[in-house]
Amino acid sequence: AQKVTQAQTEISVVEKEDVTLDCVYETRDTTYYLFWYKQPPSGELVFLIRRNFFDEQNEISGRYSWNFQKSTSSFNFTITASQVVDSAVYFCALSEDGNNRLAFGKGNQVVVIP
Amino acid sequence: GAGVSQSPRYKVAKRGQDVALRCDPISGHVSLFWYQQALGQGPEFLTYFQNEAQLDKSGLPSDRFFAERPEGSVSTLKIQRTQQEDSAVYLCASSTGLAGDPGETQYFGPGTRLLVL
Repeated sequence: AQKVTQAQTEISVVEKEDVTLDCVYETRDTTYYLFWYKQPPSGELVFLIRRNFFDEQNEISGRYSWNFQKSTSSFNFTITASQVVDSAVYFCALSEDGNNRLAFGKGNQVVVIP
Repeated sequence: GAGVSQSPRYKVAKRGQDVALRCDPISGHVSLFWYQQALGQGPEFLTYFQNEAQLDKSGLPSDRFFAERPEGSVSTLKIQRTQQEDSAVYLCASSTGLAGDPGETQYFGPGTRLLVL
């Protein structure tokens, strides 16, 4: 069984502050993939990043960065210098080898206050 | 089109009615997925197609739910005799998708918001 836990439900920050979203996953498979998606108020899930199980190198894309640590089964996401446009629900998801479905966490509602 | 499209965007049904939700995947994408998202929750997997073959329907909550993709492109999710607990957003996703490649990125449509009264 696969499971993704996003403990924080709603996070409010003032614009320009940094915000980190925690994601902890559980899997029995040795081959798996992790994803982050953004869901703005319009409702569409927007793909942000995919990380393979063997690649623990951290990644930075503009104001977004991701920290993948297999030792703690975590794949955390940081938004630096947050902006109002970052207000959305962010989902962490997992897929396992031989199983094409995505298992999502409950999401983090991020509210950026101007 | 450039992305996954879904129609209708909103659907209101009376309890007991049948509904049909349509998904147009990204052109050329082999794999197609349906998810159900209840209010305040993450999406939950319903079913998966590779071309016209439905390879996994283990997430369909009851036999009232039925999905098809007869020509390997457009897909329809049908819900018979709708119940209030069926109220949710139904999301469709597609990926370039090859068999045995679970790491393929899935691209989502805007969803259909279903309200059953």
